[in-house]
Amino acid sequence: DAGVTQSPTHLIKTRGQQVTLRCSPISGHKSVSWYQQVLGQGPQFIFQYYEKEERGRGNFPDRFSARQFPNYSSELNVNALLLGDSALYLCASSVRMSNYGYTFGSGTRLTVV
Amino acid sequence: QKEVEQDPGPLSVPEGAIVSLNCTYSNSAFQYFMWYRQYSRKGPELLMYTYSSGNKEDGRFTAQVDKSSKYISLFIRDSQPSDSATYLCATNRDDKIIFGKGTRLHILP
Repeated sequence: DAGVTQSPTHLIKTRGQQVTLRCSPISGHKSVSWYQQVLGQGPQFIFQYYEKEERGRGNFPDRFSARQFPNYSSELNVNALLLGDSALYLCASSVRMSNYGYTFGSGTRLTVV
Repeated sequence: QKEVEQDPGPLSVPEGAIVSLNCTYSNSAFQYFMWYRQYSRKGPELLMYTYSSGNKEDGRFTAQVDKSSKYISLFIRDSQPSDSATYLCATNRDDKIIFGKGTRLHILP
């Protein structure tokens, strides 16, 4: 059974550009969360979606947005990229909203130059 | 004050040694505590979780929570080079996971 799949694996963008990151959850998982992990830090919560509705939002500016599709896959969009947005973006899925039962993907490494 | 504090290390120990990894947390209302392992260029992988206080053992790994001192520990017995990774302690609030910074662990052959 495939795990959480994220694409692309790596990408490089220029300041001011926009980026879209994609996540396919494990089959049967209806909850998807996004986390940002800056080098040397633990992951920080950005968004949670469950049954296509936003259920939680972390302390990130409005430049960050996300959505979940009917097949439970998800996209994270970041507009007007800043150098500080360079990070590993992680997607995690679970069957339902959970206290601990999340499976993480390998992430998308975003570099903003 | 950060909600979960963790010494980033790095921590280097010889193969076969017992490893002790520790975290503190700030909010006594936290109930679930997790340890994740993250290899380079990979996402975090859930190792163990505990609910409230006490110990939980799984093979070479033991997780311990002391709610009176707000202290979380992970012990690794008979450490192996394959245990070399970053270990993240975590708790949850409102269905989101709150992570510590992670401790980089190196097991020396």
